[in-house]
Amino acid sequence: SQTIHQWPATLVQPVGSPLSLECTVEGTSNPNLYWYRQAAGRGLQLLFYSVGIGQISSEVPQNLSASRPQDRQFILSSKKLLLSDSGFYLCAWRETGLYSNQPQHFGDGTRLSIL
Amino acid sequence: QQQVKQSPQSLIVQKGGISIINCAYENTAFDYFPWYQQFPGKGPALLIAIRPDVSEKKEGRFTISFNKSAKQFSLHIMDSQPGDSATYFCAASRADSSYKLIFGSGTRLLVRP
Repeated sequence: SQTIHQWPATLVQPVGSPLSLECTVEGTSNPNLYWYRQAAGRGLQLLFYSVGIGQISSEVPQNLSASRPQDRQFILSSKKLLLSDSGFYLCAWRETGLYSNQPQHFGDGTRLSIL
Repeated sequence: QQQVKQSPQSLIVQKGGISIINCAYENTAFDYFPWYQQFPGKGPALLIAIRPDVSEKKEGRFTISFNKSAKQFSLHIMDSQPGDSATYFCAASRADSSYKLIFGSGTRLLVRP
């Protein structure tokens, strides 16, 4: 069966520090991968998605970036964190296919607090 | 046109009652409408989903009703239980290269015992 792992679960970082969040998926090949951010009590905002190794599409211009160095690995990074980067970061995957009715499956997220 | 509007923002229901959450969309290219359930500190989990060629889908106590002409869909939770207390998100997507989901803003449901 497929599983998705995100780490760390929680992170406290000072303003201006770098960031690296990692997401890996097991049990599938060439998945679509997604990074979302969820502000407290709010909905999910899509940040990046990837349909293949090295292929990254950005949805929201900001000081975050994403990379997909391996088929089932998705990394969210920042060179210098801002206070506004605080939030709950979620990684998701879905099977590739021609039809949209294949669900996205989410990890348990990383709670990022910027001080 | 890419938005999905969800209401209410919060909902309190007595145990055994019916919880109803509504969503509306504008983009007629959307062809997949899932509902997700999220508990505090966890990622959203797929609850139930529907395609626009179906007007209703039922899975256990959870039912999606879909009105294509009105561009609205809703989640009904029958016999609501305290364990159903969570945040619920509707979403929509269309068949393109990304299959990205557009989420509603969420409904926080509290089921009182």
